Amino acid sequence: GAVVSQHPSWVICKSGTSVKIECRSLDFQATTMFWYRQFPKQSLMLMATSNEGSKATYEQGVEKDKFLINHASLTLSTLTVTSAHPEDSSFYICSARRQGEESNQPQHFGDGTRLSIL
Amino acid sequence: GQNIDQPTEMTATEGAIVQINCTYQTSGFNGLFWYQQHAGEAPTFLSYNVLDGLEEKGRFSSFLSRSKGYSYLLLKELQMKDSASYLCAVNDYKLSFGAGTTVTVRA
Repeated sequence: GAVVSQHPSWVICKSGTSVKIECRSLDFQATTMFWYRQFPKQSLMLMATSNEGSKATYEQGVEKDKFLINHASLTLSTLTVTSAHPEDSSFYICSARRQGEESNQPQHFGDGTRLSIL
Repeated sequence: GQNIDQPTEMTATEGAIVQINCTYQTSGFNGLFWYQQHAGEAPTFLSYNVLDGLEEKGRFSSFLSRSKGYSYLLLKELQMKDSASYLCAVNDYKLSFGAGTTVTVRA
């Protein structure tokens, strides 16, 4: 095991809408989850590190009021893109670190969410 | 800051060998990962190096030189399904990814 489920896989919505993306660890507990964004033909850029029961740590340049992260349980983290605009269109991917695993173990990635804002 | 460089694209023939280089300058280092990513999908783990030297896993091998800030991924006996993007990622508790190398395998 070490399956991470991400939902939804594809979202198309109007500008100004808020969109929530869920990241679940299905068969393990994850104290830490990571949220990445990937624009076409570019690499994954870490947006924030989500720790269960505490506030997320955002990378420089990522607006925490725009990208709300909640990690309320050991198996679920959510990313809400508030008032989304076309420039927020991207591929959002989460990953999870199993509770107790060292950082030298590979992160377990979800399948990603493709967000398209019209 | 983190600076991770890898070539943008590489093309090779089925059955051949391809080597993807990655150089890095990072503020911290706790190992280097290689991931494979097909278009529109999440990355899948290929290999991890934390000590200098070569790690071999079937058709894929990865090498690390910490003093040179250099790693490579070697793909042997290339198959069409190996056409994908290959990402080098430096681990410092969190991952910093290179831009990825798109490998195209031709018949």
